[in-house]
Parts: sequence; C-alpha cells; structure tokens
Amino acid sequence: QVQLVQSGAEVKKPGASVKVSCKASGYTFTSYGISWVRQAPGQGLEWMGWISAYNGNTNYAQKLQGRVTMTTDTSTSTAYMELRSLRSDDTAVYYCARVRSIAVYDAFDIWGQGTMVTVSS
Amino acid sequence: EIVMTQSPATLSVSPGERATLSCRASQSVSSNLAWYQQKPGQAPRLLIYGASTRATGIPARFSGSGSGTEFTLTISSLQSEDFAVYYCQQYNNWWTFGQGTKVEIK
Repeated sequence: QVQLVQSGAEVKKPGASVKVSCKASGYTFTSYGISWVRQAPGQGLEWMGWISAYNGNTNYAQKLQGRVTMTTDTSTSTAYMELRSLRSDDTAVYYCARVRSIAVYDAFDIWGQGTMVTVSS
Repeated sequence: EIVMTQSPATLSVSPGERATLSCRASQSVSSNLAWYQQKPGQAPRLLIYGASTRATGIPARFSGSGSGTEFTLTISSLQSEDFAVYYCQQYNNWWTFGQGTKVEIK
C-alpha cells in the first residue's frame, strides 16, 4: 500500500541540527512532491516547505529560510528534512506528506506517522 | 502569505447533529482548498480537496462547499469517530493552514 514511514524520535540540544527521513513505498516516488509540516505541542499545523521528487526543486517557508534544507534520494525513495540551529520553539512533531498530484500545488493525500523532535538543554 | 481563518475555535455538538465549520481566506484561493481531520496522536487525514471533492474512502456525511475566500465543511450527522480537530488548507499559492476547529461532544 501507499505509505510514508518516518525515522524515529530525536532529542537535540539548542544549536544542534536534526535530519528526519521519510521513506516512500507503494507508488512511483519521482511522480509526486513531498511537503513537510510541523506541529508544536498543542498547536496547529505549520507548513515548512516542499520538494519535487522529480527534479529536486524546493520552496521553503519564509520563516525557516536559511535553517532548513530538504533533499531526496531517488535510489531509495526517501525524502529528508534537515533543520539547523535548533531552538526550543522547534520542539514539535514533524510530518512528511505527499502532494496529491503531479501538479506543484495540491492537497496532501498521504502522511507519514510523524517524528517527535525535542529541543532541550 | 495567504492567511486562513477558521471559525469557531471549538464547536460543541451532540452525536447525530449537523456540524458546520467555516474557513476564510485573506485573498481568493479559487477552489484550491482542502480539509483535514486530526485525532489525538495521529497524523492528519485528507477529507476534502478542490473545496468539494471527497478524498478516497471518506464517508458521504462529509461535504465541502465554497470558492474564492469563503468555505464550509459540513458533517451531516456526527458519529462518535468524527469528534476531532479539523483544519482547512489553501494550496493556491504554496500552502497555509487554518488554526483548526475542535469538534467536541456536547
């Protein structure tokens, strides 16, 4: 079945970096984009950015520009999200999600299970 | 950035009753609007895309309407499994989410 499986929970110190993986299966990875969304404890959903699995094009939310990098490895059908210079307010569950169609802009139809990232000294 | 505003923040409804959730965009998003359901400890689930098209496997009691800047999600007869948080999302210009509406048992 179509699914996205994310890497496990992480605990990081302020100033460190974290890299979360998202492995796709059940569909042609390069035919869809992947977006990353995060959710701080008790809060709503925040879109972080998008990457085309076809050509690697990216677009990041303005507030994260310079701290986030999204990449893909088409040989393993895996997407990655790296966030640097972590702060306490980066503590959140991080989700990857598939963009529903080949169009750049569409809804997110498949979601990963989420990865908890805790930033604490 | 397009700002999405949902109302109300919390909606108290009895099982079997109708629930109506609203979502407003700060500028037109055409019909590029999706609704998601999220239960505690779970990832969001796509309910509606294109403002009114149900995603695969979504029951017919969920319906979406609207275009431009005003959108509505209606749950015709609430079931116990429908108590959750609902988010709208625009995808006309990148993506932004509303702050969510919690549907709770009255």
